[in-house]
Amino acid sequence: GQQLNQSPQSMFIQEGEDVSMNCTSSSIFNTWLWYKQDPGEGPVLLIALYKAGELTSNGRLTAQFGITRKDSFLNISASIPSDVGIYFCAGPFYLYNQGGKLIFGQGTELSVKP
Amino acid sequence: DGGITQSPKYLFRKEGQNVTLSCEQNLNHDAMYWYRQDPGQGLRLIYYSQIVNDFQKGDIAEGYSVSREKKESFPLTVTSAQKNPTAFYLCASSGTTDTQYFGPGTRLTVL
Repeated sequence: GQQLNQSPQSMFIQEGEDVSMNCTSSSIFNTWLWYKQDPGEGPVLLIALYKAGELTSNGRLTAQFGITRKDSFLNISASIPSDVGIYFCAGPFYLYNQGGKLIFGQGTELSVKP
Repeated sequence: DGGITQSPKYLFRKEGQNVTLSCEQNLNHDAMYWYRQDPGQGLRLIYYSQIVNDFQKGDIAEGYSVSREKKESFPLTVTSAQKNPTAFYLCASSGTTDTQYFGPGTRLTVL
């Protein structure tokens, strides 16, 4: 079935460092979404990408929609302790007569040392 | 404020009992979704509904049931047939785009 391969699975970095994670798929997506989940909370949308090649920023976060439409990247610059959490990529998948649903990557768990 | 609410935040039940988790949204979204998340795992889709009075099974529907009688509400019942119900349950909704917005989650513990 459809799946997204997200890497790395976990990262341990020093405060102030930049972070990069990516998501790849064997299928083409028309939308890429990036979410962050704090412990014990629901995921919160960080960035939505709707066009191949699109580069979008949200504060210290920058995400790109790959030209091939099969991948996406999320970068965090100058990390701070509150960046700790799990980051998920997601893309929509449509089934005939059943509407659309999101396929999620397995998540990247980010730990930041002060 | 517009958003998605899930209640309660924490729920404890005895083994063999059915339990219903609440999900309400006032975003006027047509579609709603239920996910299950286990520790250190990603999100797995249980059920979803594109419109009132209609819903489809997700990837792990066995042992769960849903209803969608109102646009704002999509309750999930965890039945006694679910063999390992202890998990974190997340509800989400989406409108005219594919972007889903999540509630705060309910942590269910079966004793």
